[in-house]
This record gives sequence, structure tokens and C-alpha cells, in this order.
Amino acid sequence: DTEVTQTPKHLVMGMTNKKSLKCEQHMGHRAMYWYKQKAKKPPELMFVYSYEKLSINESVPSRFSPECPNSSLLNLHLHALQPEDSALYLCASSPGVEWAEQYFGPGTRLTVT
Amino acid sequence: GIQVEQSPPDLILQEGANSTLRCNFSDSVNNLQWFHQNPWGQLINLFYIPSGTKQNGRLSATTVATERYSLLYISSSQTTDSGVYFCAVDASGTYKYIFGTGTRLKVLA
Repeated sequence: DTEVTQTPKHLVMGMTNKKSLKCEQHMGHRAMYWYKQKAKKPPELMFVYSYEKLSINESVPSRFSPECPNSSLLNLHLHALQPEDSALYLCASSPGVEWAEQYFGPGTRLTVT
Repeated sequence: GIQVEQSPPDLILQEGANSTLRCNFSDSVNNLQWFHQNPWGQLINLFYIPSGTKQNGRLSATTVATERYSLLYISSSQTTDSGVYFCAVDASGTYKYIFGTGTRLKVLA
């Protein structure tokens, strides 16, 4: 099974809302990633978790708060977002950060109104 | 940081044609992957190829790490091959994947 699942598929939220994105994998992978992709642009790395610990934060604003409750789950908590945060949010996992053959979920399309 | 450039940026083919997509990177890498992003946004893993040559059906890829480039070959293209093709690399020791600029492919019936 090489599947990474993400929920929800679509999310519309106001600038004062709090919401969470969820990502799950059951491949036994020890590294998990969040990416942000704007229209017609390549994905951009946001966070990297290795063995459930945050190892890379690419200077992401604090209104995005990642969480890795266990080795299979990755959350992204959203609070006080801006309209320019509207994008496709992609989750990925890999066996590790050194052997980083990444598998991506289908993404969550987020619209901030 | 590492720079990753892909060429051509756009490509239009007739069904059945062959094509070569190129990915150039500016530093040595630990990992390199090719992805196909379909119209719904799903990134499909085509090849994990930090070096050497691999083939999977009509697709094949070659990475020459010492010369800092990778090639993706698509033979006998089909309309379902349409979409955006990305290469992604992480510079040695950084553990940060950087995506290339992408090649947007359209295959006409």
C-alpha cells in the first residue's frame, strides 16, 4: 500500500476561523512533509518531520502550526489565515529523510475568504 | 541554495510522438524524483532516480549526477500523459526537497 490520504479535499474558511488539515500514511515511513502549492507554481516545502520530531521549518508564519501525534499522522492547524494563503496543501511521506522517495497525498484545496 | 531548472517549459505533442524532458540542478544531490501532476493536482511518483537509468513501460529516466542533470523520456505519448512534469531534488545534507520549474505537457489526439 503506497497510499497517503488527506482530509478534507476542499476547505473554505474565513480569516477568523480555526481549522485543521489531516494527513495519514500506513507505509511505516518515518519522515512526513507539508508543501504549499499556488496555481501554476511548483510545490514549496513548509515543514519536515523526522521520527515524529519537527526537523525543518521553512520560515513558515506562525498561523500555520504543524503537529505529528504519531508516526502515521500529520496535522496542520490553521488560524487567522489571510486570503493569500489560499492554495493546494500537499502532504507527503518517505522512508526517512536520507532515503527520501516521497509519496504524496491528493492534497487539500484551501480557500480563505 | 540549489537551483533546479526544467526545459522546455511548455510542450505540445501529437499522440504517438516521443519527447525528452530535462532537469538541470546546480549542486550535488542525495535524492531526485520525477513526478507527474494530473489536472486534479495529484502528484504521481514516476521515478526515484538519484543516479543511473530506470524504465517503466513507455517512460524511462536517466540521471547523470556528476554532470548535474536528469532526463525523462516519454515514448508513444497518449492524451493521458498531459499535465505538468516536475523533477524534485534535495541538495546533499539539506534534507529539503526543491521542485523544479516544471514542464507543462499537452498531448493532442
